[in-house]
Amino acid sequence: SQELEQSPQSLIVQEGKNLTINCTSSKTLYGLYWYKQKYGEGLIFLMMLQKGGEEKSHEKITAKLDEKKQQSSLHITASQPSHAGIYLCGANTGGFKTIFGAGTRLFVKA
Amino acid sequence: DSGVTQTPKHLITATGQRVTLRCSPRSGDLSVYWYQQSLDQGLQFLIQYYNGEERAKGNILERFSAQQFPDLHSELNLSSLELGDSALYFCASSVFVGENEKLFFGSGTQLSVL
Repeated sequence: SQELEQSPQSLIVQEGKNLTINCTSSKTLYGLYWYKQKYGEGLIFLMMLQKGGEEKSHEKITAKLDEKKQQSSLHITASQPSHAGIYLCGANTGGFKTIFGAGTRLFVKA
Repeated sequence: DSGVTQTPKHLITATGQRVTLRCSPRSGDLSVYWYQQSLDQGLQFLIQYYNGEERAKGNILERFSAQQFPDLHSELNLSSLELGDSALYFCASSVFVGENEKLFFGSGTQLSVL
């Protein structure tokens, strides 16, 4: 089983709609990252969350970290076709390695 | 552009062969991570090097090996290749932000084993 579980696995939304992606860890989180990947390309850093309750925003994307629940959520407001891609959460669970969830594939219908 | 360079971009080879993937980290970054991404396994951590020394090991097969050279570039060697080794291989370099490492990923090497 994955140490980081992401849900949903895939998501199809109408342009303009809001959406939320979740990431839950089975281990203590020392840091939580969100990356975006266009199909077949490299990962682009979105945000890093390091403290419980921390919330960060970049353009229309907001991420929160609930350290007690060992989970994070990524929220996109008023989705656009440019938001389409694979969203991956990554985590530092100790031991100098960053692990990743399986990803959420987002499709935005124009 | 992340500043991390991976070569080659694509590699097609046959089962049983050996290949070498190369990664140059961002200027000034001392660490290199290697990951394997496949459709069924997601992004799997393989190994990490810091300033020439192995620092952490993940799900790396015995047929795979890596090293980081004095100029900080890294190579991932894959031998006795099997069909299941076909995947996108990423390297990343990192910088510490507080207690955590922010990773910068290369664009990957797509390996196809036929």
